[in-house]
Amino acid sequence: QKEVEQDPGPLSVPEGAIVSLNCTYSNSAFQYFMWYRQYSRKGPELLMYTYSSGNKEDGRFTAQVDKSSKYISLFIRDSQPSDSATYLCAMSENSGGSNYKLTFGKGTLLTVNP
Amino acid sequence: NAGVMQNPRHLVRRRGQEARLRCSPMKGHSHVYWYRQLPEEGLKFMVYLQKENIIDESGMPKERFSAEFPKEGPSILRIQQVVRGDSAAYFCASSQGRNQPQHFGDGTRLSIL
Repeated sequence: QKEVEQDPGPLSVPEGAIVSLNCTYSNSAFQYFMWYRQYSRKGPELLMYTYSSGNKEDGRFTAQVDKSSKYISLFIRDSQPSDSATYLCAMSENSGGSNYKLTFGKGTLLTVNP
Repeated sequence: NAGVMQNPRHLVRRRGQEARLRCSPMKGHSHVYWYRQLPEEGLKFMVYLQKENIIDESGMPKERFSAEFPKEGPSILRIQQVVRGDSAAYFCASSQGRNQPQHFGDGTRLSIL
């Protein structure tokens, strides 16, 4: 079993739809959770950064972490064609006070159709 | 552009040659990380460096790969005697501190002929 599982998609939605992206993980030591957006031929761009369980909202984006289920989600409201990209989840442990070693999912390819 | 700068964006090498990948962190960042993204795989951590120090190289292959971050100049990821399996996208990230969010460059796509 891989440490981080992410449905690769592709996921195609109409403009304005609510998008739900998810990752599951097996390592109960993960405490920091991130979502990155990656456009084609570009580097990952940090969208959300959360610690432990709970919700975090930033504009049209909401990140949820459920540590009891080892499940994280990213919701995108009022999706736009410019949201079309690959979304990567990433997570890290708090090992000896350090959380720099990120473990990534493979990414979900999202297309928002006008 | 104050972001993480990587060059070259594309690099083609023949088997047995050396590849040098460069990374300049964001202004004000002194922590650098290298990740590798193989085809159909997620990004994998390779190495973490601060100025003049390798902090964690647990993700680096034991042979042919090395990294440095000198006092002056960019961080360098060096791959000696490249093989076909080294073909991948190599991403550099930087952060202000050890436990701060990492910001990525646009990567170097290495192709081995």
